Amino acid sequence: QSVLTQPPSASGTPGQRVTISCSGSNSNVGGNFVYWYQQLPGTAPTLLIYRDDQRPSGVPDRFSGSKSGTLASLTISGLRPEDEAYYYCVPWDDSLRGWLFGGGTKLTVL
Amino acid sequence: EVQLVESGGGLVQPGGSLRLSCAASGFTFDNYDMHWVRQPTGSGLEWVSGIGAAGDTYYAGSVKGRFTISRENAKNSLTLQMNGLRVEDTALYYCAKWEARRGWDHWGRGTLVTVSS
Repeated sequence: QSVLTQPPSASGTPGQRVTISCSGSNSNVGGNFVYWYQQLPGTAPTLLIYRDDQRPSGVPDRFSGSKSGTLASLTISGLRPEDEAYYYCVPWDDSLRGWLFGGGTKLTVL
Repeated sequence: EVQLVESGGGLVQPGGSLRLSCAASGFTFDNYDMHWVRQPTGSGLEWVSGIGAAGDTYYAGSVKGRFTISRENAKNSLTLQMNGLRVEDTALYYCAKWEARRGWDHWGRGTLVTVSS
């Protein structure tokens, strides 16, 4: 069981806004950058957000990241059917001295 | 274009060994940290190991002492030597390039490791 807590599932209808949370501790989320990855069915993960709230070129501005204390969040605005995927948060963990993935959130677009 | 191609996966008995490779192209391999991340079928992602551009290595607790990561810059190649394999090591193993600011910005397609008797 991951020490990072993500909701196992989330859902929304096209056009809606959805927020996925990633709850950790001071040794990971609270003290280090958080990265977010999207994994479409049957494919490798792709980078969505880096350093808490930075978006790589090519990622639509519908995707945004934020962090407050030990809680990181990924918000998807204007939900689209192609956003249906798994989403993972991952910070460095100072106690484990390694990278720590959240359990992942399956987003369903209804 | 950055390309990462993993190979070496297969079926192995518990206690056995396997050597995974990742062939990199499209970037200056020497300049980047490289990592292995795995994913059991139907489950989430798990970081396995990383190696810095300077050769420093680090491992997840679950594989420390059993797995060894290495790189051969002259061949643009990353390797993961896996010994003492356990059933719980069964997973799709991804090779990923680490960019200093952006994180894992490129991933391979993965190679499947199955540990079973």
